[in-house]
Amino acid sequence: GAGVSQSPSNKVTEKGKDVELRCDPISGHTALYWYRQRLGQGLEFLIYFQGNSAPDKSGLPSDRFSAERTGESVSTLTIQRTQQEDSAVYLCASSPGLAETGEQFFGPGTRLTVL
Amino acid sequence: GNSVTQMEGPVTLSEEAFLTINCTYTATGYPSLFWYVQYPGEGLQLLLKATKADDKGSNKGFEATYRKETTSFHLEKGSVQVSDSAVYFCALSDQTGANNLFFGTGTRLTVIP
Repeated sequence: GAGVSQSPSNKVTEKGKDVELRCDPISGHTALYWYRQRLGQGLEFLIYFQGNSAPDKSGLPSDRFSAERTGESVSTLTIQRTQQEDSAVYLCASSPGLAETGEQFFGPGTRLTVL
Repeated sequence: GNSVTQMEGPVTLSEEAFLTINCTYTATGYPSLFWYVQYPGEGLQLLLKATKADDKGSNKGFEATYRKETTSFHLEKGSVQVSDSAVYFCALSDQTGANNLFFGTGTRLTVIP
C-alpha cells in the first residue's frame, strides 16, 4: 500500500498480559516513530528509529515498553505486563529520513484497551 | 524544552463562519511548525506547514503564519464547511536529531449546517 499501515486496529487485553503492535512504514522511509495518544490528550513521543542507527528510546515510559525494527521496514512495539494506564491509541509514523521539514506520515493507529 | 499549547475545544461553528484555533509554542531552536488534522475514523494527516519565520502555510482554505515574535502559529479559515469537522493538532519539529514532533492536545471542531 501507499501509506503507513498498523495492525491490529483494535486490541483488547487483560491486565498483566503482553501485547505486540505492528507498523509497516511507507516503502523507502528510513525514519520510523511511535507515539501514544491517551484519551483527550495530545500525542506523546515514545521511540524513534533512523536507518541502522541506535534507536532513540527517550520517550518510553517504562521498561515494560520496547520496540524493534527490522532494517528499514516493519517495526513492532511490545508492551509487557500491561496496565490499565497503557490504554491508548498507539500511532506509528514514518518519514524519508532527515527531511528538512520534519513532516511525518501517520498510520491509522492501534487502539489498545487494557481491562 | 519544546512544547506546544493550543486552544482547548471543543469548538462548534455554523457553516460559513470564521475559524481561528490558537497555537503558541516554546522551542530551543528554530522549529518547523505544522497543523495536522484527524478526520473522523481516519489517521492524522498533514494540513499545512511553515519552516521559517514569516512563512505562511496554506491548504484547503486554511492558513497559518509562523510568527516568531509572538511564538504563534494560529490556524484560520474564512468560511468553514461541515466537511471541516475534525480534530486539529498543532505541532513543531525541532529540526535536530530525530526531528521528533511535539504536539498540542488537539482541538475538536464541529461545523453544523
